[in-house]
Amino acid sequence: EIVLTQSPGTLSLSPGEGATLSCRASQTVSSKYLAWYQQKPGQAPRLLIYAASSRATGIPDRFSGSGSGTDFTLTIRRLEPEDFAVYYCQQFGSSNSPRYSFGQGTKLEIK
Amino acid sequence: EVQLVESGGGLVKAGGSLRLSCAASGFIFSTYSMAWVRQAPGKRPEWVSSTTDSGSYTFYGDSVRGRFIFSRDNAKNSMYLDMNNLRAEDTAVYYCVRLLNGYYENWGQGTLVTVSS
Repeated sequence: EIVLTQSPGTLSLSPGEGATLSCRASQTVSSKYLAWYQQKPGQAPRLLIYAASSRATGIPDRFSGSGSGTDFTLTIRRLEPEDFAVYYCQQFGSSNSPRYSFGQGTKLEIK
Repeated sequence: EVQLVESGGGLVKAGGSLRLSCAASGFIFSTYSMAWVRQAPGKRPEWVSSTTDSGSYTFYGDSVRGRFIFSRDNAKNSMYLDMNNLRAEDTAVYYCVRLLNGYYENWGQGTLVTVSS
């Protein structure tokens, strides 16, 4: 089973600054099946990025994803107040049956 | 607009059973694979089960296999999760999710299941 490890655990920044969130996989992950989600308190997660670098519908272009192999990054330019939330990376794999796994999350908090 | 509305959550004793439902609208339900994803308080989301568009193939996570049954009724644009032999560790918010190429594209608002020991 592929384990996703996110860093840092918590990131404290101010609005207007840029954020870089990391997701490292224990084995090679197909870029086609690496996604990022945003979750605010009391809400369901929301898909931000799929296929490592493609923005989901309605996601502002200040969000971007990159990476390949075992190292992936979510970058947020010019943080807005509504961007402070928890971010998860997720991968999908299938051998005999589908397997979905999430990283443990990065909390982006206001400094 | 895609809408997914879960219902059926509540408080149940360990060893008991519960049925969750999800009503889908705003898209052609019968053409999408669907999933149940749960999230325990303060934890990361966890895949529970998923099924193909026709319901011909259904898959389960290791922690629920043999206890949970995922079904769907494409004529009613609905899906269900029958949960049996519930354990304290099944306590979580359960989300109905539309799948696309391995991603959780759309989520419902969730329904809380609490299992008391």
